[in-house]
Amino acid sequence: DGGITQSPKYLFRKEGQNVTLSCEQNLNHDAMYWYRQDPGQGLRLIYYSQIVNDFQKGDIAEGYSVSREKKESFPLTVTSAQKNPTAFYLCASSKLTSGNTIYFGEGSWLTVV
Amino acid sequence: EDQVTQSPEALRLQEGESSSLNCSYTVSGLRGLFWYRQDPGKGPEFLFTLYSAGEEKEKERLKATLTKKESFLHITAPKPEDSATYLCAVGTGNTPLVFGKGTRLSVIA
Repeated sequence: DGGITQSPKYLFRKEGQNVTLSCEQNLNHDAMYWYRQDPGQGLRLIYYSQIVNDFQKGDIAEGYSVSREKKESFPLTVTSAQKNPTAFYLCASSKLTSGNTIYFGEGSWLTVV
Repeated sequence: EDQVTQSPEALRLQEGESSSLNCSYTVSGLRGLFWYRQDPGKGPEFLFTLYSAGEEKEKERLKATLTKKESFLHITAPKPEDSATYLCAVGTGNTPLVFGKGTRLSVIA
C-alpha cells in the first residue's frame, strides 16, 4: 500500500542525547515535511524539502536537523540543543508545496527524560 | 503574515445535534483551503480541499464550504465516531500549508 511510514512510534531518550526519527514515503511525492505537535499548539513546521539534497527551515528549526539524500526518505534528528524535545512529531509529503494536499504519517512520540 | 484561526477550540454535541466549525483566514493569494480530521495519537487524515469562494464539498455527515474570508465544516446529525480534532489549513504561493490550532469535537451518545 502507498503511504508514509514513520518509525519508531514511541521513543524514549535521556536528556542530552541526539535522536533520529525515520520517515519513508512511497507516494513518489517531491516535497516532504516535518511538523511538531504540542497540546493546544496545533502543528508547527520544523523543516521541509522540495527536492533531493535541498531543504528549508520552518518556524521552529532550532535544535533540529534533517537530510534529504533520497526522494523517499526525510529523517529528522532532534539534537541535544533542542530545549524541550518531548512532543508528537509528524512527517508528511505532497506532490508540490504550492497549495497541494499534504498527507501525513502516523506520527512518532518522543519523550525525553 | 498568513494566519488561520479556528473556532471554537472545543465543541461538545449530543448525538444528532448538528453544528458548524469555523476556520477564518488572512492570506495573500489563497491556493487552497484544506480540512483534516485527527484522532488522538494518530496523524491527520485528509478530508477536503476547497479552491474558490462558493465551492462546497461533502462526505457522509460532513460538508465544507468556503467564502473569501472563512470556511465552515458543517456536521449534520453527528455520531460518537465523529469525535476528533478537526484541523484547517491554507496553502498560498510556494510555501507549505499553514495550520490552525484545531477544534476538538466530542459527540455524546
